[in-house]
Amino acid sequence: DAGVTQSPTHLIKTRGQHVTLRCSPISGHKSVSWYQQVLGQGPQFIFQYYEKEERGRGNFPDRFSARQFPNYSSELNVNALLLGDSALYLCASSPLPDREEQYFGPGTRLTVT
Amino acid sequence: KQEVTQIPAALSVPEGENLVLNCSFTDSAIYNLQWFRQDPGKGLTSLLLIQSSQREQTSGRLNASLDKSSGRSTLYIAASQPGDSATYLCAVNTGFQKLVFGTGTRLLVSP
Repeated sequence: DAGVTQSPTHLIKTRGQHVTLRCSPISGHKSVSWYQQVLGQGPQFIFQYYEKEERGRGNFPDRFSARQFPNYSSELNVNALLLGDSALYLCASSPLPDREEQYFGPGTRLTVT
Repeated sequence: KQEVTQIPAALSVPEGENLVLNCSFTDSAIYNLQWFRQDPGKGLTSLLLIQSSQREQTSGRLNASLDKSSGRSTLYIAASQPGDSATYLCAVNTGFQKLVFGTGTRLLVSP
């Protein structure tokens, strides 16, 4: 079975631009969460979506937004990119919205110049 | 605010050694704790999940324990191998699948 997939693998953007990252969960998983991992640190929680609704939000500015589609895939949008947004963006999925083991994708490496 | 600390930050051992990685968290109100492995530049691989009502979980050469009241977890790796070299992250689930991560332990196992 396919695991969590993310696209693109790598991305280079300029300050001020907008970016969209995509995630497809494991088949049958309805919960998707997004994390940001800056080099040398542990991942930081950004959002959780379940059944197309936002269930949790981390301490990130409004420039970050996300949505989940009827097929449970998700996209993360970041507007007005800053140099500090350079990071590995990870997506995780689980069958249900709580107390479940989470499975992570390979991530999207975003570089902002 | 939940904070997760992992000690040591880095560890270098010869092949075959048994080793213990430590994780501590400040708030015992957690749903579960998960240990992950991360290879350089890659995503996270789930190793073990311990629910808050459980004391330990085992998978192959890995054993993880959880003492929720004292805010501690340990990951025991038996008979380490060079292929075990990676960064190990622990994370606590504080609700709605929000994981709070430590900064990881970077492990190097030498042949």
